[in-house]
Amino acid sequence: DTGVSQNPRHKITKRGQNVTFRCDPISEHNRLYWYRQTLGQGPEFLTYFQNEAQLEKSRLLSDRFSAERPKGSFSTLEIQRTEQGDSAMYLCASSYLSGSGNTIYFGEGSWLTVV
Amino acid sequence: KQEVTQIPAALSVPEGENLVLNCSFTDSAIYNLQWFRQDPGKGLTSLLLIQSSQREQTSGRLNASLDKSSGRSTLYIAASQPGDSATYLCTGNQFYFGTGTSLTVIP
Repeated sequence: DTGVSQNPRHKITKRGQNVTFRCDPISEHNRLYWYRQTLGQGPEFLTYFQNEAQLEKSRLLSDRFSAERPKGSFSTLEIQRTEQGDSAMYLCASSYLSGSGNTIYFGEGSWLTVV
Repeated sequence: KQEVTQIPAALSVPEGENLVLNCSFTDSAIYNLQWFRQDPGKGLTSLLLIQSSQREQTSGRLNASLDKSSGRSTLYIAASQPGDSATYLCTGNQFYFGTGTSLTVIP
C-alpha cells in the first residue's frame, strides 16, 4: 500500500494560466475527496467521488474549478484562469466506505502559487 | 452548514504532561469523527476514527471520545513528547474541519 499520491507537489503559475493536479488514491478505495487549505486554516472541502460518480460539487469554489475521476481510479482537479487567491495547498484524500466506518487518508498535498 | 470549533487554538506544555484537546460541532449528527495531526507543510495523518456506534477509541497514548448528544469530542494525549508537536485537527463526516489546535511540547 503506497498511500495517496499527489502530483505535482509544487506548482508556480502565472495568473490566468490553467493548472491541473493529479491524485492517485489508495488501491481499491472507492471514495476520493478534494480539499483546499490555506495557511492557518483547516482543510476546506471542495468535492468528492464515489467510484466514478461525483456526488457533491456544489462546494467547488467557482466554475473555474472542476474535477474528474475517470474509471473510478485516479482523479484530476483543474483550475482554469488562475487568480492569486487560488494560491493554497490542494489536498486529496481517499477512503473505503464500509460498515466499519470511513477512515480517510490524505496525500501530502499540492502547493499552488499564482504569481 | 456544519461549523467545527477547536479549543484551544494553541497550546504549549512541558514534556510529560497529559493534555486534552477539544472539538465541537454545531450539528450533532456525526456518524464519523476523525482526528488528525498535521506537521508544517505536510498532509494530514489519521490518528483515530470514532464511528457513530462508538463512544471512544484508543491508540497508544491517544484516547478520543465522542459525545453525540452535545456534539463534542475530546482528544486526550498522555505523557506528551516533543514529537507530538504538530497541529491537531478534527472532522465530522469528512466534510468539515476545525481550524486546529497547534501543540508545542517543550523538552
